[in-house]
Amino acid sequence: QKEVEQNSGPLSVPEGAIASLNCTYSDRGSQSFFWYRQYSGKSPELIMFIYSNGDKEDGRFTAQLNKASQYVSLLIRDSQPSDSATYLCAVSPYSSASKIIFGSGTRLSIRP
Amino acid sequence: DVKVTQSSRYLVKRTGEKVFLECVQDMDHENMFWYRQDPGLGLRLIYFSYDVKMKEKGDIPEGYSVSREKKERFSLILESASTNQTSMYLCASKDSTFYGYTFGSGTRLTVV
Repeated sequence: QKEVEQNSGPLSVPEGAIASLNCTYSDRGSQSFFWYRQYSGKSPELIMFIYSNGDKEDGRFTAQLNKASQYVSLLIRDSQPSDSATYLCAVSPYSSASKIIFGSGTRLSIRP
Repeated sequence: DVKVTQSSRYLVKRTGEKVFLECVQDMDHENMFWYRQDPGLGLRLIYFSYDVKMKEKGDIPEGYSVSREKKERFSLILESASTNQTSMYLCASKDSTFYGYTFGSGTRLTVV
C-alpha cells in the first residue's frame, strides 16, 4: 500500500464549478497535511496546509481533514482555467517532523 | 520573500561525467532535500540533510552523493552520470516545525 494515495486523473471540471481532489494516507499518526500545486515544467508550490480535523478555507480553496478516516481533500470553488495543474497531496508522518511524503498527484483540467 | 535557488535551470551532460547540482536557501532552514521527478513516478527522495555535515539516504540514493558544508547550501553529486539519471531535479528546504517545504525552481538534467 502506498503511503499517500491519489487518483492520477485527469479530472476534468467545467469553468466555474467546484473541483474536488481527494487523498488518503496510511500512517495514522501523521501530523500535518499539505496541498501543492504544480504547473507543467514548474516546481511544486504550497497552496494549503492543515493540522486539525475539519475545514480550513483560504480564498477559493478549502482543505478538509478527517483523521479518523485518514482522508484529506481539497476543494476549489469557482474553478478557473488557471487552476489547471497537477495537485500533490503531502503528509508529514509522526516519525519525522522534517520529511514529507508525497502522493503522485492528480492532474486537474478546467474546461472553458 | 523566502527563496531556494538552484544554480541551473537546464543542464546537458555526457555519460560518465561527474555532475554537481547546487542548491542555496536563504531561510536559515535546518532541513534540505533533493528529489527527482519523473512522469508517472512522482517525486522520489534521493537524499536529505537535517544539519550541516549530516545526511541521510532517501528512497533512491544509488548513483548519487551529497554535500552540506554550510547550512545554506546542499549539493547533489552524480558520481558518473548515466542516461537513466535524465530527470527533473528539485531541491527543497524546511525548518523543524510542521510547516511544508519550499522548493527551488528545479534543474532539468539531460544525460546524453
